[in-house]
Amino acid sequence: GAVVSQHPSWVICKSGTSVKIECRSLDFQATTMFWYRQFPKQSLMLMATSNEGSKATYEQGVEKDKFLINHASLTLSTLTVTSAHPEDSSFYICSAAPGPNHEQYFGPGTRLTVT
Amino acid sequence: QKEVEQNSGPLSVPEGAIASLNCTYSDRVSQSFFWYRQYSGKSPELIMSIYSNGDKEDGRFTAQLNKASQYVSLLIRDSQPSDSATYLCAVKGNQFYFGTGTSLTVIP
Repeated sequence: GAVVSQHPSWVICKSGTSVKIECRSLDFQATTMFWYRQFPKQSLMLMATSNEGSKATYEQGVEKDKFLINHASLTLSTLTVTSAHPEDSSFYICSAAPGPNHEQYFGPGTRLTVT
Repeated sequence: QKEVEQNSGPLSVPEGAIASLNCTYSDRVSQSFFWYRQYSGKSPELIMSIYSNGDKEDGRFTAQLNKASQYVSLLIRDSQPSDSATYLCAVKGNQFYFGTGTSLTVIP
């Protein structure tokens, strides 16, 4: 099956610093990548959708200046959490789709803790 | 009304029984339907996709789709304790929508 990787798998950072999370599709080209956030015992929350070479589309309530998304190639998207605060601590999961009507394949997730 | 609705559960079934998970959706133009399994602390994993009305079987899993009723279900036969997880229904029309998931516990 299709494989999506994320790096790092977990990160601890201090309040006010920025953290970059990478999402790669390893064996297929992803026209669309998605970024989700999930708090403990809660459902997935879509943050943004990105298409290669264009600006990401952010969901309502998600600050685009705080969560910077770059989909630079068909196999790589990055999410940068800028000026992180403790309330940004969460499980961040990316997914990638080979085409507009295809299933999403999820990365293993990145657990972010902001101290 | 949410785009995709699932019973949150928890749903408990004894080992060896059939677990039935249900999902309804509101967007009539939806064309693609998926079931994902998410273990606690892990990311979702695709287990089934279905695109046309009827049943689709894969091992112990059967997905059922009824577009007229806007209903999709997942049956797990011979449930095992390792099937205990949250099951997410996803629907793709103009956009991709996930349900909030149904928590399943299989009791040994």
